[in-house]
Amino acid sequence: GAGVSQSPRYKVAKRGQDVALRCDPISGHVSLFWYQQALGQGPEFLTYFQNEAQLDKSGLPSDRFFAERPEGSVSTLKIQRTQQEDSAVYLCASSLGGADYGYTFGSGTRLTVV
Amino acid sequence: AQTVTQSQPEMSVQEAETVTLSCTYDTSENNYYLFWYKQPPSRQMILVIRQEAYKQQNATENRFSVNFQKAAKSFSLKISDSQLGDTAMYFCASVFGGSQGNLIFGKGTKLSVKP
Repeated sequence: GAGVSQSPRYKVAKRGQDVALRCDPISGHVSLFWYQQALGQGPEFLTYFQNEAQLDKSGLPSDRFFAERPEGSVSTLKIQRTQQEDSAVYLCASSLGGADYGYTFGSGTRLTVV
Repeated sequence: AQTVTQSQPEMSVQEAETVTLSCTYDTSENNYYLFWYKQPPSRQMILVIRQEAYKQQNATENRFSVNFQKAAKSFSLKISDSQLGDTAMYFCASVFGGSQGNLIFGKGTKLSVKP
């Protein structure tokens, strides 16, 4: 597609509910990143894929967070047993090959846990 | 630790004036990239300008320019002839240790351009 598409745009979840956030990167982009952006803060790195391989998941805050990219294109970020502190905007970015090529961001999913 | 610091939570400028947003960073790497991103209320991060650390010449994109001081680890953004559409959050970010890897962001500066 022309840009990075994220869905849903907004998600309200009850505490304890599982959620799945989707990222559809630009076709052909090898690298895919997930970030968590709390209100009034800068984005913080969660995880990084190169094609289908998850090369870095050091930013995932707990084992309730899980990400996958099984065919090297669409990625899903799953949060199990959501808690209030998970409320944030989740941004996805893709890149043809890193900083030399630049990063394209989606508009994010705003997750509110009530 | 590799960090990016923005010390100005909020800034304001009159339309048509010039404003400078500050950014400092800390790394022991020699090879890295620096970015300024704009985030309007739509939430999408838009690249404003990029600088490779090995280039001494400051990057410029139309009304946007940077002052890259490598020894001081400083990377400020100058916006000339400010426009109402420049109102947004601005984030300084870096990729350290080569071209691969994740962006590390500062906390952002909220810029308001006043008519």
